[in-house]
Amino acid sequence: AIQMTQSPSSLSASVGDRVTITCRASQGIRNDLGWYQQKPGKAPKVLIYTASSLQSGVPSRFSGSGSDTDFTLTISSLQPEDFATYYCLQDYIHPLTFGQGTKVEIK
Amino acid sequence: QVTLKESGPVLVKPTETLTLTCTVSGFSLSNARMGVSWIRQPPGKALEWLAHIFSNDEKSYSTSLKSRLTISKDTSKSQVVLTVTNMDPVDTATYYCARYYDRLFLDYWGQGTLVTVSS
Repeated sequence: AIQMTQSPSSLSASVGDRVTITCRASQGIRNDLGWYQQKPGKAPKVLIYTASSLQSGVPSRFSGSGSDTDFTLTISSLQPEDFATYYCLQDYIHPLTFGQGTKVEIK
Repeated sequence: QVTLKESGPVLVKPTETLTLTCTVSGFSLSNARMGVSWIRQPPGKALEWLAHIFSNDEKSYSTSLKSRLTISKDTSKSQVVLTVTNMDPVDTATYYCARYYDRLFLDYWGQGTLVTVSS
């Protein structure tokens, strides 16, 4: 199975900061990667699919980039509602695999 | 309106088999653009993808849990069923089902159901 390595595992940031989270695949996955946001006690929500496509209704401060093995989720200006845990998910090939998550906390 | 809802026992004993049902509405399990995955999350830990079923009944499983998982669907009932055999306390988790849209993303998720494994 493809392994997804996310970094950092956690970060502290202030409102207004630019935040970058990375995900690395153990083998090439083209652009078959999504980013999901999860808040405590809630189901995850898709933010980005096919590495850089913004899901409908998601604020434009979220963006994704990358291809092959290296991917990035960027939040251009962190807002209070963005404090959450973020996961990448590869869907290039089954079995699907998640990264281990990045918890974004308030500084 | 698309919804998914998980149901099943909240408590199972070690070595027992867990059976979870995901009842969907707002779309058909026979739609070629739709599939359903099961994902779980132990308390305070990361998401773990478990299994998937496609509209054509093709199935896929987590490599590490493949021997213990079975996924199936009943299109007429709009239900997807996941069984996990030989449950252990480490299988304590919130179990989610989610729709996999057009092989692009998991767009709708159930609320999740917490399953505790304890004697």
